[in-house]
Amino acid sequence: RKEVEQDPGPFNVPEGATVAFNCTYSNSASQSFFWYRQDCRKEPKLLMSVYSSGNEDGRFTAQLNRASQYISLLIRDSKLSDSATYLCVVTWMDSSYKLIFGSGTRLLVRP
Amino acid sequence: ETGVTQTPRHLVMGMTNKKSLKCEQHLGHNAMYWYKQSAKKPLELMFVYSLEERVENNSVPSRFSPECPNSSHLFLHLHTLQPEDSALYLCASSQDHSQVTYGYTFGSGTRLTVV
Repeated sequence: RKEVEQDPGPFNVPEGATVAFNCTYSNSASQSFFWYRQDCRKEPKLLMSVYSSGNEDGRFTAQLNRASQYISLLIRDSKLSDSATYLCVVTWMDSSYKLIFGSGTRLLVRP
Repeated sequence: ETGVTQTPRHLVMGMTNKKSLKCEQHLGHNAMYWYKQSAKKPLELMFVYSLEERVENNSVPSRFSPECPNSSHLFLHLHTLQPEDSALYLCASSQDHSQVTYGYTFGSGTRLTVV
């Protein structure tokens, strides 16, 4: 089983749609969780951290379910500019501190 | 200049060449990282430096040699690479290696092609 697993997509949605991505992780001792956004041929950029109580930033809502070991990202009222790859990132400690990236979920928002 | 800066942005090198990638951060962070991103694969952590000391080396071949002369600069020296080493090499920094509450800040990357 991959350490961090995401549906690669692509998710192809019209402008204004609501879309949700899930990400599962294998290590129950995972500590911190993030969503990053990566545009084509660009570097990843932090979108938002994910907190146990869930958190919202404008049109974006992130949720964490520790019991089922998944995190989610909900995007409301999709914009063309939301088209990107969304990377799930999980941190944990074993022999050293690790930040593990998923392969990403690609989102395409069409006019 | 702010953030994390990587040079060059693009690099094409032959398998017998020696080249270096440079990363510089102006954020006052104590930890710096090298990641490799190949097509359709997750980012792979290569090296971690904390306060100029290497704390992680993820079984990276010796043809990749990192150097961290101070907490603001990180290099990746390349020699006798293989075509499969072609990828996007990303540098990142964080305030502290053991606490990444605010995540990483990435540089724009160096797109490397080995011919």
